Amino acid sequence: GQSLEQPSEVTAVEGAIVQINCTYQTSGFYGLSWYQQHDGGAPTFLSYNALDGLEETGRFSSFLSRSDSYGYLLLQELQMKDSASYFCAVRDRWGGGGSYIPTFGRGTSLIVHP
Amino acid sequence: DGGITQSPKYLFRKEGQNVTLSCEQNLNHDAMYWYRQDPGQGLRLIYYSQIVNDFQKGDIAEGYSVSREKKESFPLTVTSAQKNPTAFYLCASTGSMENEQFFGPGTRLTVL
Repeated sequence: GQSLEQPSEVTAVEGAIVQINCTYQTSGFYGLSWYQQHDGGAPTFLSYNALDGLEETGRFSSFLSRSDSYGYLLLQELQMKDSASYFCAVRDRWGGGGSYIPTFGRGTSLIVHP
Repeated sequence: DGGITQSPKYLFRKEGQNVTLSCEQNLNHDAMYWYRQDPGQGLRLIYYSQIVNDFQKGDIAEGYSVSREKKESFPLTVTSAQKNPTAFYLCASTGSMENEQFFGPGTRLTVL
């Protein structure tokens, strides 16, 4: 079956750097995405990796190693507003019509302290 | 502004009643999805649709039904057959060959 593992909770202080890991076991793999969700809100897209390596977008970076079935999200210069849940999602199925079907991890709750 | 709307934000229903959750998008996306989220859990796929008049079961389709009569609309009906319907329901869409899924604000359904 499909499984994605990520830590349930991570805490850090403002200004620090934090890394959220995601390991996956899926029957197919087309790419790894990361989403941010504040309490009661909608998930919003952060990044996507289809190939090995690091993708950087401002304070956020995402890394993928396909050979290790592993990726991580790196958040730098943490701010209080970064307190949220972070989900990794693997595109593991082709739905046809040009769109993939993702499987989501259970999410990591990031708590940023002053 | 382009986006996805879901209504209502909060919904209360008595056990045994069917309820329909609305999802509308004006992003001109072909693919639309319904997810269920329980506290402390990830998103689980209920149904998805790649094109008008076609939809496929996701991982937890039992007790749910959908329709896709228009490109912009993908309503979800939670039937009385769903054993534990209280949850946060999220609708999403994506454009062809795009990396990003766009999510609506969600509907929190409570069955009393």
